[in-house]
Amino acid sequence: DQQVKQNSPSLSVQEGRISILNCDYTNSMFDYFLWYKKYPAEGPTFLISISSIKDKNEDGRFTVFLNKSAKHLSLHIVPSQPGDSAVYFCAALPNSNSGYALNFGKGTSLLVTP
Amino acid sequence: DADVTQTPRNRITKTGKRIMLECSQTKGHDRMYWYRQDPGLGLRLIYYSFDVKDINKGEISDGYSVSRQAQAKFSLSLESAIPNQTALYFCATSDPPRDGYTFGSGTRLTVV
Repeated sequence: DQQVKQNSPSLSVQEGRISILNCDYTNSMFDYFLWYKKYPAEGPTFLISISSIKDKNEDGRFTVFLNKSAKHLSLHIVPSQPGDSAVYFCAALPNSNSGYALNFGKGTSLLVTP
Repeated sequence: DADVTQTPRNRITKTGKRIMLECSQTKGHDRMYWYRQDPGLGLRLIYYSFDVKDINKGEISDGYSVSRQAQAKFSLSLESAIPNQTALYFCATSDPPRDGYTFGSGTRLTVV
């Protein structure tokens, strides 16, 4: 069973607008969440993370929001740029640092058009 | 040099052949992972290792085996390749995982 779900396979946004990528999770033991970005022919790269003790984390144009009661997080990119076009993966970890590997969602392909 | 190096980058092999994908890292991390990416299925965990003596199965380990030859080296083997193992394979390392993973550039494997 997929414990981390990204229900939108793709998203298209105009340059300069906001991109919102969504992620839902089912395992209440998850308490740390990460977003990865992947360009074609490259490995995924870490983008931003959030711990469950926070509801928002910001890094430049990228902000992640966490709604624990809804088991939902979102990544906001403002303003969107053509170079942001990539596949974005949501990932989660349970509240123990030992014995677990990251659970990834299926990814959302973002296209930012000029 | 890349932090995580995967070889080969591309490989075409025949059904039934044994093939090994290699991964080495210069980060000095204890934890290493093998993931597989398929279109529409995201990244799925095959095997992971938290140190040289520790090997764990992931969600899709059937048909695969691994060897942790040293802290820096973690190889993935397909004992008898089949066409549905055609995919993009990624190796990663972390220490600890909450600092994020560093991925290699991937190996594109095609089984014909």
